[in-house]
Formats: sequence, C-alpha cells, structure tokens
Amino acid sequence: GAGVSQSPSNKVTEKGKDVELRCDPISGHTALYWYRQSLGQGLEFLIYFQGNSAPDKSGLPSDRFSAERTGGSVSTLTIQRTQQEDSAVYLCASSPFGGEAFFGQGTRLTVV
Amino acid sequence: GIQVEQSPPDLILQEGANSTLRCNFSDSVNNLQWFHQNPWGQLINLFYIPSGTKQNGRLSATTVATERYSLLYISSSQTTDSGVYFCAVRLNSGTYKYIFGTGTRLKVLA
Repeated sequence: GAGVSQSPSNKVTEKGKDVELRCDPISGHTALYWYRQSLGQGLEFLIYFQGNSAPDKSGLPSDRFSAERTGGSVSTLTIQRTQQEDSAVYLCASSPFGGEAFFGQGTRLTVV
Repeated sequence: GIQVEQSPPDLILQEGANSTLRCNFSDSVNNLQWFHQNPWGQLINLFYIPSGTKQNGRLSATTVATERYSLLYISSSQTTDSGVYFCAVRLNSGTYKYIFGTGTRLKVLA
C-alpha cells in the first residue's frame, strides 16, 4: 500500500479481555516497529522486527504483551488480560533496513 | 541507555515569528529523524538527517553528530505549525530501533 496501515483505528475493550492490533507496513520495508503513546506523553518503544532476525522485545512492558510478524509483512500486537493502564495510542512504523521510518495513524485503545 | 532531550519543552509564538528547536542525545547515533505530530495525532516526517543541513520550504534542520545535537528551524511560523515536534535517534550499535526525544509542544497564535 501507499503507507503504513493500522487497524482498528479505535478499540474499546473491557478490563481483562484480550485485544489484537494489526499493522500493515509499506511494501518492501523489512523493518517494523511498535510504539505506545499515553495521553500527552512521548513515544515508548515496544518491539522491533528486522527481516528474519530475532525481534528486539526489550520494550514490552510485561508478559501480557506479545507481537508477531508473519511472512515478514503484517504484524499483530496482542495484549492479554487488558488493564486500564494499557489505555494509549499504539503506533506502528516501518522502514527499509537502516532507513527512514514512516508511521501509521495509530490505534487508540481504551480499556474500561 | 541513551538519553534524548529536547528543548524547549513548550513554546508559544505569534504567527510570523521564527524559532529554533533543539535535540541533544547522549550517545553516538547513525541516524536521526524529525517528526511533527499534528493535533490529530498523526506523525508527519519532516527530515531524515543523520548529518549536515537540509531545507524544506520554511523548515530546515542541521545535525552535528560529532557534537550530539540537532536543530530544527521554523521560519515565518503559521498556525498550522502547531503541534508536538519529536526527534528520534537510531543508535550506532546494537538494535536499530529509534529512541524518541521528549518533544517540544509548539503553539502558534494568529
């Protein structure tokens, strides 16, 4: 596609439920990044994928968070047993290896 | 880990004024980007600038990697320039993730 696409745009979920957030990177981009932005805050790194290499998971805040990238393209971020503190905008970006990163529009997650 | 500090944290300008935003980083980096986050939350790419100077219309940026800072210049500011400006750096070693700065919140008054 022309840009990074994320779905859904908005997600409201009940505390304790699992959620899946999807990211479609720019075609041909080998690197994919997930970040989280709480209200009025900066961007917090979550996880980084590069090609077939083992992902950098150093930013995942707890074992309730996981992510996968299938076929080197689409990525899914899964949050299990959601908590209210998980409410935030989740942003995905992609880039060529070592190149300029471009962001999607984000998924706004609200846990009630 | 690397620290990425931006200054000033907040800035209010009258339309037409010029400004300089600064990004300092504590470690060697091999890449740097500037982004504008508009009021709708979208991150807009401004510059991909590991070193040197680039210009795009009323905006320009300079990165001096050896001295670990980058500057973003906004000239003749417009109300549409309002939002948050972030720099993001990629380390020279280890993972290729981007680390974001603390941001500068800019408000341009008509």
